[in-house]
Amino acid sequence: EAQVTQNPRYLITVTGKKLTVTCSQNMNHEYMSWYRQDPGLGLRQIYYSMNVEVTDKGDVPEGYKVSRKEKRNFPLILESPSPNQTSLYFCASSRGGTNEQFFGPGTRLTVL
Amino acid sequence: SQKIEQNSEALNIQEGKTATLTCNYTNYSPAYLQWYRQDPGRGPVFLLLIRENEKEKRKERLKVTFDTTLKQSLFHITASQPADSATYLCALGASGGYNKLIFGAGTRLAVHP
Repeated sequence: EAQVTQNPRYLITVTGKKLTVTCSQNMNHEYMSWYRQDPGLGLRQIYYSMNVEVTDKGDVPEGYKVSRKEKRNFPLILESPSPNQTSLYFCASSRGGTNEQFFGPGTRLTVL
Repeated sequence: SQKIEQNSEALNIQEGKTATLTCNYTNYSPAYLQWYRQDPGRGPVFLLLIRENEKEKRKERLKVTFDTTLKQSLFHITASQPADSATYLCALGASGGYNKLIFGAGTRLAVHP
């Protein structure tokens, strides 16, 4: 089954404790993105990647890091999480072109 | 700056009626526009894409229009069913290679029996 998986689905952590949210896709897509979704603000892109070892900032990259060492994986790293990073996070992949996004199930992160 | 507006108020309609959702944008010239469906606690799911040179697109009970003069897209669900209740997101994209999508905040649709 073609899918994007994310782990963990739910995470409660404390300020400053480094965490990683994993993302993996099995569709051989070149493009992958991370979004955060906050009430009333819609989906905002954090980082995206056009291929292995090629990443770029989206609209809200501050406080986040990413890496793309393998085509299928695109982890999101929060080196020192803060409460304003409490949000619902989605990973997505696409073939590019008209960029139809395939989204993962989401990770609900709470930073205390 | 680029801005996308979707009605933040929920749309409540009766089963069997046609639901019409609106997506307006400013300061942007998109090459295409996409619509997604999002159920509570789940990731958005792609529904339809319409390009700037297309006026209308249909898929089963769904119809999308795209008016680049008005800077507006309308999303219609005919013969709506309670199972159509969800939040619907529009997203704009530019042409050429990979260009990020800009998403609206979504409109929640509730179809009542």
